[in-house]
Amino acid sequence: QKEVEQNSGPLSVPEGAIASLNCTYSDRVSQSFFWYRQYSGKSPELIMSIYSNGDKEDGRFTAQLNKASQYVSLLIRDSQPSDSATYLCAAVRGWNSGGYQKVTFGTGTKLQVIP
Amino acid sequence: SQTIHQWPATLVQPVGSPLSLECTVEGTSNPNLYWYRQAAGRGLQLLFYSVGIGQISSEVPQNLSASRPQDRQFILSSKKLLLSDSGFYLCAWRTQSINEKLFFGSGTQLSVL
Repeated sequence: QKEVEQNSGPLSVPEGAIASLNCTYSDRVSQSFFWYRQYSGKSPELIMSIYSNGDKEDGRFTAQLNKASQYVSLLIRDSQPSDSATYLCAAVRGWNSGGYQKVTFGTGTKLQVIP
Repeated sequence: SQTIHQWPATLVQPVGSPLSLECTVEGTSNPNLYWYRQAAGRGLQLLFYSVGIGQISSEVPQNLSASRPQDRQFILSSKKLLLSDSGFYLCAWRTQSINEKLFFGSGTQLSVL
């Protein structure tokens, strides 16, 4: 079982719609989570981080975390063609879990926003 | 403000040649540093992690090594490159706060021929 799993997509949404990206993780000691956007040939750009159960909003982006279900999601409102990219989810191993604070990534979901 | 520098941007090396990629961080002290590799069309594979000078954790055994000679410097090396070492190498710095973040350098695209 992969430590962080994402549907590879592509996920196609029309311009202006809400894009919903999902991520599950297997390590229960994961404490923090990151969402990144990566354009082809470029390094990942941090969108937002979340560590508490519930929703966290930043502009058009909302991250949702459910630790009981080991599930993280990212909603993109009013999707734009410029949002077309691969979205990566990452999990950070907790401080009290022993060992080092490993940051593990999913393989990413490709999002296509259709004009 | 904190910034992370990584070079070179692209590199073409023959099989069997050595490798040295450097990463430096500015504007912070005692950063947690990571090296990742991304093969074409694949996810990010964690290679090494460092919490301080001389402290390296290796995630995947292979012909690569890492060193941290100074607080804000992280180096990825190989004595003899393999074809399978081709990929996009990324250095990352993680902030240590309750609202932690992980920032990436601009990456090095390595092609081993």
